[in-house]
Amino acid sequence: ETGVTQSPTHLIKTRGQQVTLRCSSQSGHNTVSWYQQALGQGPQFIFQYYREEENGRGNFPPRFSGLQFPNYSSELNVNALELDDSALYLCASSPGTGDNQPQHFGDGTRLSIL
Amino acid sequence: QQQVKQSPQSLIVQKGGISIINCAYENTAFDYFPWYQQFPGKGPALLIAIRPDVSEKKEGRFTISFNKSAKQFSLHIMDSQPGDSATYFCAVRSGGYNKLIFGAGTRLAVHP
Repeated sequence: ETGVTQSPTHLIKTRGQQVTLRCSSQSGHNTVSWYQQALGQGPQFIFQYYREEENGRGNFPPRFSGLQFPNYSSELNVNALELDDSALYLCASSPGTGDNQPQHFGDGTRLSIL
Repeated sequence: QQQVKQSPQSLIVQKGGISIINCAYENTAFDYFPWYQQFPGKGPALLIAIRPDVSEKKEGRFTISFNKSAKQFSLHIMDSQPGDSATYFCAVRSGGYNKLIFGAGTRLAVHP
């Protein structure tokens, strides 16, 4: 069984640029959630995708957007990058959105903004 | 506003000792309480989880104790080993769409 995989593992961008991060969900998982983890802090929920639709969003501005594809893989897009966007971006997949559906995380993409 | 307060920030335990990490939450609507373990350069890995209708859950050396009236839950690691050295996060689930709210983390170091 393949776990959650994310690409790339590391990325360096400059302020104002745009970035796309990718996530392949675990086999059989139709729900993908994205989290931002700043250094020394816990992950913060960005948004969730279920069956290709956004299914909930945290306190992040609209320049954070996403997509989910028919194979349940997902992308996180961030426009107009700011220095504070430097963080580890984590993708988590689960077999559904409801009760008792544990989330399994990938190892993340480390994004650095110069 | 911090919805999940985790303590301590860091913890040093001798090999074979008991590690205890605590979390407190505000919202009584939370319905799922997982603990995650994270090693440097890796994503969080689900360790153990509990639902509010149970006061304790044990899996191997890991135990969650849950106090619904006090709105607190804790992770106990028995017979702590150097390989347990990692950052531990408590989390609560919010809403019907399985959103997790994490604590700030506890960095555990187990000395041989």
